[in-house]
Amino acid sequence: EPEVTQTPSHQVTQMGQEVILRCVPISNHLYFYWYRQILGQKVEFLVSFYNNEISEKSEIFDDQFSVERPDGSNFTLKIRSTKLEDSAMYFCASSLRIDRIQETQYFGPGTRLLVL
Amino acid sequence: AQTVTQSQPEMSVQEAETVTLSCTYDTSESDYYLFWYKQPPSRQMILVIRQEAYKQQNATENRFSVNFQKAAKSFSLKISDSQLGDAAMYFCAYRSVRHTGNQFYFGTGTSLTVIP
Repeated sequence: EPEVTQTPSHQVTQMGQEVILRCVPISNHLYFYWYRQILGQKVEFLVSFYNNEISEKSEIFDDQFSVERPDGSNFTLKIRSTKLEDSAMYFCASSLRIDRIQETQYFGPGTRLLVL
Repeated sequence: AQTVTQSQPEMSVQEAETVTLSCTYDTSESDYYLFWYKQPPSRQMILVIRQEAYKQQNATENRFSVNFQKAAKSFSLKISDSQLGDAAMYFCAYRSVRHTGNQFYFGTGTSLTVIP
């Protein structure tokens, strides 16, 4: 069964550094998402992406964050200048479409980011 | 904003027994989706079951079923004949049918232990 993959599984970085988290969505999917989960807290929506542009973003997704689909397979989340509070598990997800029939989002295993 | 509450951070069940995981949510919308996702240790979230709010019939998937009480805004998951492989973190999630971004709202999760 196709899966969403994410790399790296763990990332440790120094405060102020840039990080890029990578995701490979399921190949025929059209909608892509990033979520994060700070330890002990809820999984929170960051951003959704469709047709090479952001379709929705949360308050968390400020100017320090950006997303990109640089080629036909990868979907990346960049944090420009990491802060301590960016330490979290970051999940990528994809879905085929968002109508009533195919609204299921498939999640990757996550990247655990630790900012020191 | 929609909120999802899982009041049981941890649950345990004897193998072959039945367990019910609770979830409540708050929304002013009349039509929406509800989901239960399972996240085994170090693995990605997998969809367990979903319910469309306009359907009165409770969803069932093999040993998994839900008790959807729309007026009470309650969406509990029942796992029958529990198996060792059911041990995981279970997340309840809400999705509006209105929002173009298709974002999910998650609960904090319930960690389920299955005792042999």
